[in-house]
Amino acid sequence: AQSVTQLDSHVSVSEGTPVLLRCNYSSSYSPSLFWYVQHPNKGLQLLLKYTSAATLVKGINGFEAEFKKSETSFHLTKPSAHMSDAAEYFCVVSPDPNAGGTSYGKLTFGQGTILTVHP
Amino acid sequence: GAVVSQHPSRVICKSGTSVKIECRSLDFQATTMFWYRQFPKKSLMLMATSNEGSKATYEQGVEKDKFLINHASLTLSTLTVTSAHPEDSSFYICSARAAGGIETQYFGPGTRLLVL
Repeated sequence: AQSVTQLDSHVSVSEGTPVLLRCNYSSSYSPSLFWYVQHPNKGLQLLLKYTSAATLVKGINGFEAEFKKSETSFHLTKPSAHMSDAAEYFCVVSPDPNAGGTSYGKLTFGQGTILTVHP
Repeated sequence: GAVVSQHPSRVICKSGTSVKIECRSLDFQATTMFWYRQFPKKSLMLMATSNEGSKATYEQGVEKDKFLINHASLTLSTLTVTSAHPEDSSFYICSARAAGGIETQYFGPGTRLLVL
């Protein structure tokens, strides 16, 4: 079984300051991990994904995330927040295709973190 | 690339009627499409997995006779909410996985359903 926990339901930062959104996962094998962003009343946009290549993954809009197996973490960061970054962010895990079973291809979503950016 | 559209973007219907939501992959072929439901201030809940040309696989607790899913082509899947009730009001989001793709799902913009 796999699960993902986003440690903060809300994060508030000032424009121009760093952003850190925390995510921990649990998976029996080597999962793929994703960060998606959702703006109000919109669908989800893929920010970045980790699929067992480089552990530091760079995504769109200046975001990046580091896969740390020893800590089972995949935290999302950005050096300088912009007002347009205000949205809800989801950490998502997808099982290792080699794990088999009925969970293949199914995404498990974290609870979401709402990012607020103050001027 | 990898654009997924949904239609309609929002719909209001009367209780007891049926509503059809379309999900299209615009620039790629999607052998698998997924339907999610998102409650206010909640995460996404997978409802069903739809493979082109075969019956959908529903998650536990999702009524297959109420939420009819059809995936007749590699670019189109439909979700029909039958005999809708106010408790079916929600944000429905589809995603599509490309043929040959392993993990990445591309999400549609969602459909807001309000049942009166």
